[in-house]
Amino acid sequence: KAGVTQTPRYLIKTRGQQVTLSCSPISGHRSVSWYQQTPGQGLQFLFEYFSETQRNKGNFPGRFSGRQFSNSRSEMNVSTLELGDSALYLCASSMTSGVYNEQFFGPGTRLTVL
Amino acid sequence: ELKVEQNPLFLSMQEGKNYTIYCNYSTTSDRLYWYRQDPGKSLESLFVLLSNGAVKQEGRLMASLDTKARLSTLHITAAVHDLSATYFCAVVGETSGSRLTFGEGTQLTVNP
Repeated sequence: KAGVTQTPRYLIKTRGQQVTLSCSPISGHRSVSWYQQTPGQGLQFLFEYFSETQRNKGNFPGRFSGRQFSNSRSEMNVSTLELGDSALYLCASSMTSGVYNEQFFGPGTRLTVL
Repeated sequence: ELKVEQNPLFLSMQEGKNYTIYCNYSTTSDRLYWYRQDPGKSLESLFVLLSNGAVKQEGRLMASLDTKARLSTLHITAAVHDLSATYFCAVVGETSGSRLTFGEGTQLTVNP
């Protein structure tokens, strides 16, 4: 069974640009969560989507947004990039939403903002 | 707000030695995870601990959970160089849906 895939794996952007990252969950998984990892802030939850609906949102500014499609694939978008947005963005999928569902992580997208 | 604290944050140990990483969390939780991360890589799931008193072992790693003390431990037995990595614990709060709250991570270096 294929794991979680994320594209692109690496991305370089400049301040002010916007970026879209993609995540394809494990087949049959309907929940996708996104996390940001930085050396200073560690691993932080961005948002969770389940059945095309945002179920939960972390403490990030409105520049960070996401969506989920009917095939459960998810995208996250960051507009007006700032240097501090440089991070490893991880997505995780699970069968359904809720506390009893183990999440499986993708390889991540490394975003560098210059 | 759910908080998760790990200690130590940095651990340098010799091969063959034993050590324990601690994970404390601030509110009740139904599930605790341990992950391993190698430099530049994603998170690899090590253990899922579901209930009070749960103990799981895989190779030289053993994890336990005490929900009353809100404490989990990851014990390393007879460390080998291949265990060098960063280890994270993560907790799902009772009202958090699937949201994982992570500890700061423990960077483990095992020296020959």
